[in-house]
Amino acid sequence: GAVVSQHPSWVICKSGTSVKIECRSLDFQATTMFWYRQFPKQSLMLMATSNEGSKATYEQGVEKDKFLINHASLTLSTLTVTSAHPEDSSFYICSARDTGAGFAYGYTFGSGTRLTVV
Amino acid sequence: AQSVTQLDSHVSVSEGTPVLLRCNYSSSYSPSLFWYVQHPNKGLQLLLKYTSAATLVKGINGFEAEFKKSETSFHLTKPSAHMSDAAEYFCVVRVNAGGTSYGKLTFGQGTILTVHP
Repeated sequence: GAVVSQHPSWVICKSGTSVKIECRSLDFQATTMFWYRQFPKQSLMLMATSNEGSKATYEQGVEKDKFLINHASLTLSTLTVTSAHPEDSSFYICSARDTGAGFAYGYTFGSGTRLTVV
Repeated sequence: AQSVTQLDSHVSVSEGTPVLLRCNYSSSYSPSLFWYVQHPNKGLQLLLKYTSAATLVKGINGFEAEFKKSETSFHLTKPSAHMSDAAEYFCVVRVNAGGTSYGKLTFGQGTILTVHP
C-alpha cells in the first residue's frame, strides 16, 4: 500500500533556530501534499497545501514566512519552521494522496514529527 | 463549509464488548467520510472510508461504519473490543465539489477509546 515517510520523528531545537521536516511518498507520486499541526489533546489542523512545482496554499492564520513549504518533486515536500519559538512546539503531520489512484481514495499520513523548542 | 462533530471525547469499554464512536457531519456538498485511528505519537491510519457507494462500510480490524444521510451521521462500530483498539479515533469529512474547500479534509475533535481488561 501507499506509504508516506516523515523525518525526523522527533526533534529538539533551541529558540531562534530553524528546523526542516521532510515528507516523502515512497511508492507513489503526490502532486499535492498537506501539512497539519496537532496540539496536545487536540485535533489536526490543516496548515497548508503543498503543490508540486508551485507555491503552497496556506490556511488563514498560518504565517507563510514562518512555515516555509517546498514541494520540489512529486515525492518530496519539506516544511521548515523558521526562527522557532516555544509556542511552535507541536506535533506536525504530513499527508499525501496518490495522484494516480483516483479521488475516491483516502490520504496517507506520515508518522508525524514531535517538535520541541527550548 | 463543512464540519464534523464527534459526540464523545472519551469512550471506555471492557474487552469483548461492543464499541460505538459517534460522528455527525455537515457539508454543503456531497461528502466523503473517513475514520482514522492514531496511536500515541504516531501518524494516522485509515480504518475505512465512505465515498458514495455502499452506505455500510467495512474497514480493517473488524470496524465498520454506516453512512446515514437523513441523520447526517457516520458512526463507527465494532462488535467486540480488543485491548489493541485503545487509541484515538478521528472522523474526517472531505468536500468533493465546489469552491476553495474542494478536496480538503476537516477533522473531528477526536475520541479517545479506552479498553479495560
